[in-house]
Amino acid sequence: NAGVTQTPKFQVLKTGQSMTLQCAQDMNHEYMSWYRQDPGMGLRLIHYSVGAGITDQGEVPNGYNVSRSTTEDFPLRLLSAAPSQTSVYFCASSDDRGAFFGQGTRLTVV
Amino acid sequence: GESVGLHLPTLSVQEGDNSIINCAYSNSASDYFIWYKQESGKGPQFIIDIRSNMDKRQGQRVTVLLNKTVKHLSLQIAATQPGDSAVYFCAENMEGNNRLAFGKGNQVVVIP
Repeated sequence: NAGVTQTPKFQVLKTGQSMTLQCAQDMNHEYMSWYRQDPGMGLRLIHYSVGAGITDQGEVPNGYNVSRSTTEDFPLRLLSAAPSQTSVYFCASSDDRGAFFGQGTRLTVV
Repeated sequence: GESVGLHLPTLSVQEGDNSIINCAYSNSASDYFIWYKQESGKGPQFIIDIRSNMDKRQGQRVTVLLNKTVKHLSLQIAATQPGDSAVYFCAENMEGNNRLAFGKGNQVVVIP
């Protein structure tokens, strides 16, 4: 039981490049979410999904897309990376006891 | 790289002493609260939770207190150890659908 697996752990992008952050969970949770974490800002919700085929916007969705074709996977796409998207990204999978987080992806956009 | 703990309220505590971390939450309708611990370079980890029908819950070396009147949550760590050094976040379940709202975090630094 691996929990929540995020890849990659580190990534450097040039401004304007696109990429996908991968997230997979093996706990059969319906609810998954993506957060970004910036110094002194806590965790801010980007997008979330309450089940396969359903996604919704969180607090800071601009510049990001998500899809949920399966219960297990919830990828986050950056369509055209900007320096403001330099951050640490966490994927989480939740049940009624709270969220289980991946180890994070540290993204730098130059 | 810059630490997630920069600019956060910081509690420095001597090893062996008790720590108290406070959190104010926003929604009086929230019915479920969680404390998370985040060590450097890692994702947040669940520590302890409490439902709104309780005012106190104890775990191993940790106690969470809930005061719904003033919308305040606290985490007490007994006999703080160097491994307790981390950023601690409170979270509230605002909509009853697993969607959590997180506080900004408090950094705990344990002095050996």
